[in-house]
Amino acid sequence: QTVVTQEPSLTVSPGGTVTLTCASSSGAVTSGYFANWFQQKPGQAPRSLIYSTSNKHSWTPARFSGSLLGGKAALTLSGVQPEDEADYYCLLYYGNALPWVFGGGTKLTVL
Amino acid sequence: QVQLVQSGAEAKKPGASVRLSCKASGDIFTRYWMHWVRQAPREGLEWMGLINLSDGTISYAPKFQGRVTMTRDTSTSTVYMDLSSLGSEDTAVYYCAREGASATTKEFDHWGQGTLVTVSS
Repeated sequence: QTVVTQEPSLTVSPGGTVTLTCASSSGAVTSGYFANWFQQKPGQAPRSLIYSTSNKHSWTPARFSGSLLGGKAALTLSGVQPEDEADYYCLLYYGNALPWVFGGGTKLTVL
Repeated sequence: QVQLVQSGAEAKKPGASVRLSCKASGDIFTRYWMHWVRQAPREGLEWMGLINLSDGTISYAPKFQGRVTMTRDTSTSTVYMDLSSLGSEDTAVYYCAREGASATTKEFDHWGQGTLVTVSS
């Protein structure tokens, strides 16, 4: 069974920088996993932030960036704002047999 | 602007089935794939499956095989998800989420507002 692992929780100070990661139990995450990242605030639907590892949507704030880092997909927030406090989920693509698997999510606290 | 509007909350008894809908507007319906994702109370997101809105090709997560059916109606730009043999563990908010139909990028963009399904005797 494929498992996608994220840090359960992270804390960052306002104005700081934080990197969230997304690892696959099947090995190193590459561009072929087309990592997508989503932000979810309490009581709201998820919002798409990053697609295909590093591409931003028109609505994605510039302080969010996606990359591959040490065999994992990564989401970096630079210059964190209080409104960035949320849950963040990654989603990886595994091909036709089991197309997509979510990570367990990271609860980001801005303190 | 693009909108995905989902049907209203459902309350079901164990063993029953539920049909959820997701109506798309603001763009060409058949250019996309539609995914269904659920979230149990105080839990993370869980991918359930997808449907190609152009040709109806489907792919389901193994966990839901045999219990889920996804269909689309191109005349009304609506996607449906049927889930059968409901149990209490199916109590969750169900979301539809759109993906651009490209082989070179896999771009999730818009999400529905979610539908709460409660399964209880």
